[in-house]
Amino acid sequence: EAGVVQSPRYKIIEKKQPVAFWCNPISGHNTLYWYLQNLGQGPELLIRYENEEAVDDSQLPKDRFSAERLKGVDSTLKIQPAELGDSAVYLCASSKRLAGATDTQYFGPGTRLTVL
Amino acid sequence: GENVEQHPSTLSVQEGDSAVIKCTYSDSASNYFPWYKQELGKRPQLIIDIRSNVGEKKDQRIAVTLNKTAKHFSLHITETQPEDSAVYFCAGVNSGGSNYKLTFGKGTLLTVNP
Repeated sequence: EAGVVQSPRYKIIEKKQPVAFWCNPISGHNTLYWYLQNLGQGPELLIRYENEEAVDDSQLPKDRFSAERLKGVDSTLKIQPAELGDSAVYLCASSKRLAGATDTQYFGPGTRLTVL
Repeated sequence: GENVEQHPSTLSVQEGDSAVIKCTYSDSASNYFPWYKQELGKRPQLIIDIRSNVGEKKDQRIAVTLNKTAKHFSLHITETQPEDSAVYFCAGVNSGGSNYKLTFGKGTLLTVNP
């Protein structure tokens, strides 16, 4: 089966510019996650979707970050405007989560963002 | 919320030796603990996981042990090979909680020297 797909793989922008990342989860996976991974650190959750509903966005800096998951499949994460400190890898993951059950999260290759 | 601590941050072993990475967690309700391997510039990949109803799980050269009382779990890699070199992350979550959030450790850079 195809894995989680993300694009672009790399993005270089100047500060204050907008940027968007796209994620296509594994077919049939109802839960989608966006993570931020700084160099030398573990992934940190930004937002979690169950189908098209954002059920946990408590870690998403809402002043500049936004996300959507139309039709409960693909998702986009946007930053506007980008700041120098946003330079990191943005990982998307998906799982077939059932309520009260554990699930395996499968990660995409990530988008490495560099803000100059 | 959950806090996961991982040690050591770097680990260097000779090919053929064993490697052990340890993690502790704070939330006694956590019941699922996956381990991910991340090679440089690549995606994290699940290598093994353990649920709180078992104390040990093994898959070929990789094993994970869980001590619920002490709230710690460990990854054991035997007969290490150069291709085992990567960053390893532990994580924990309470799967029954309303806030299902996988909390990761900071990672261990494992280097296997040929």
